[in-house]
Amino acid sequence: AQTVTQSQPEMSVQEAETVTLSCTYDTSENNYYLFWYKQPPSRQMILVIRQEAYKQQNATENRFSVNFQKAAKSFSLKISDSQLGDTAMYFCAYLNFGNEKLTFGTGTRLTIIP
Amino acid sequence: EAEVAQSPRYKITEKSQAVAFWCDPISGHATLYWYRQILGQGPELLVQFQDESVVDDSQLPKDRFSAERLKGVDSTLKIQPAELGDSAMYLCASSLTPGLNSPLHFGNGTRLTVT
Repeated sequence: AQTVTQSQPEMSVQEAETVTLSCTYDTSENNYYLFWYKQPPSRQMILVIRQEAYKQQNATENRFSVNFQKAAKSFSLKISDSQLGDTAMYFCAYLNFGNEKLTFGTGTRLTIIP
Repeated sequence: EAEVAQSPRYKITEKSQAVAFWCDPISGHATLYWYRQILGQGPELLVQFQDESVVDDSQLPKDRFSAERLKGVDSTLKIQPAELGDSAMYLCASSLTPGLNSPLHFGNGTRLTVT
């Protein structure tokens, strides 16, 4: 079974700084997707960024980028120029080709300090 | 922007009572998911519907949980009888189709407290 591990339960950073959230996963599959989801205090979960395992290029969405290390099974999220609105729980998630069931990590609570 | 609607937002119930949650997905979304999120953990899939049919309910505790989507639109998740360990956030999500090219849209969830 696939597992997703987020080893940082909580993090905080000053506004405008850069922060990196860690995620590792375990799978025997070769084709899969990885995601970062954000869950703000209002609780609606939204997709931040996704990475296809077959792509070597790291995904980027504005201030959000990932460092995908397939051999190490590592998938970290970097938030640049952090903003107060980035305060939220961040979940790393895994999805296998042919199986639409997302497996989530336990989350990292990120607080941006003014 | 269209949203997934869930009600109620909060529910407090005593153990052994019945409780029900409702979800209305984004119009046209054929795939609907119910997740349970225990405090301090990530969401865990309970059941997935494609239209009115259950696609995956392998993690649904069927002795006490039931889910239906009779007309392939809105859905109800029921727990009877509720147990203390059922206290959690129950999230509904929908997508246009199953699969990777159709992103999930989540609702705000229902926070259940069983006393």
